Amino acid sequence: DIQMTQSPSPLSASVGDRVTISCRASQSISTYLSWYQQKPGKAPTLLIYLASSLQSGVPARFSGGGSGTDFTLTISSLHPEDFATYYCQQSFSAPYSFGQGTKLDFK
Amino acid sequence: EVQLVESGGGLVQPGGSLRLSCEASGFTFSRHWMHWVRQTPGKGLMWVARLNGDGSITNYADSVKGRFTISRDNAKNTLYLEINSLRVDDTAVYYCARDNFYDSGDFWGQGTLVTVSS
Repeated sequence: DIQMTQSPSPLSASVGDRVTISCRASQSISTYLSWYQQKPGKAPTLLIYLASSLQSGVPARFSGGGSGTDFTLTISSLHPEDFATYYCQQSFSAPYSFGQGTKLDFK
Repeated sequence: EVQLVESGGGLVQPGGSLRLSCEASGFTFSRHWMHWVRQTPGKGLMWVARLNGDGSITNYADSVKGRFTISRDNAKNTLYLEINSLRVDDTAVYYCARDNFYDSGDFWGQGTLVTVSS
C-alpha cells in the first residue's frame, strides 16, 4: 500500500502570508494526487485534483504542483477563511490513502 | 444541485452490523464511481471503499476487507455500505463522496456517525 506523509504539521501563519504544504508518497503516483480542505464539523471539500487542476469554484490563490513522489499545495496569500486542516490523497492505486493532515492555524 | 445525504448511523455493540445509505440527487448517479471515507472523531481521514457506476468493480481498504460491503441501487440513486463484525475502532463519521471522473471526491455528504460501544 502507498503511504502519504504531509509536512509540516501543524503550520502557524498569519493573514496575507504565502504558505506551502508538502505531501510525499512512498512510491511514484504520477500526478494522481488530490488536496482537500476541512473545517471543524464539516465534510472535506476538494481544492485540487490531478496534482495541479483547480476545482471549479476554488479561489485562484490555491495552487498545486508536483509529480512522482513529491507534491505541494500553495496558498499565495492567506485569507481568514483558509485556516483549516488540509489533506492530500493519492488515487494512483487502491487503497486510496490520505496523508495525516496539516492543521493551519493562526500564528 | 448535487446533494448526497447519508443515513443509517447509530450506536451498535461490538460484533454488530449496520447498513449505511447515501441518497444522491442532482446528477446522473449511475455515471459516477462513488466512495466511502471515514473519520474517527478528532482524527484524520481514512478511505474505506469505492464502487463503479454499474456496481461491478469494488475496492476496499485492507482493514475493512471481508467485513464491509459497498453496493448501489441506481434505480433508487442510493449507495450503501454494509458493515459487519463491528469493532470499537470502526467508530467514526462515515462520508460518501462522488468521484469526479478523475478519482477525486468532488461532492461529499454531511456524514453519519457510527459509534461502536458496549
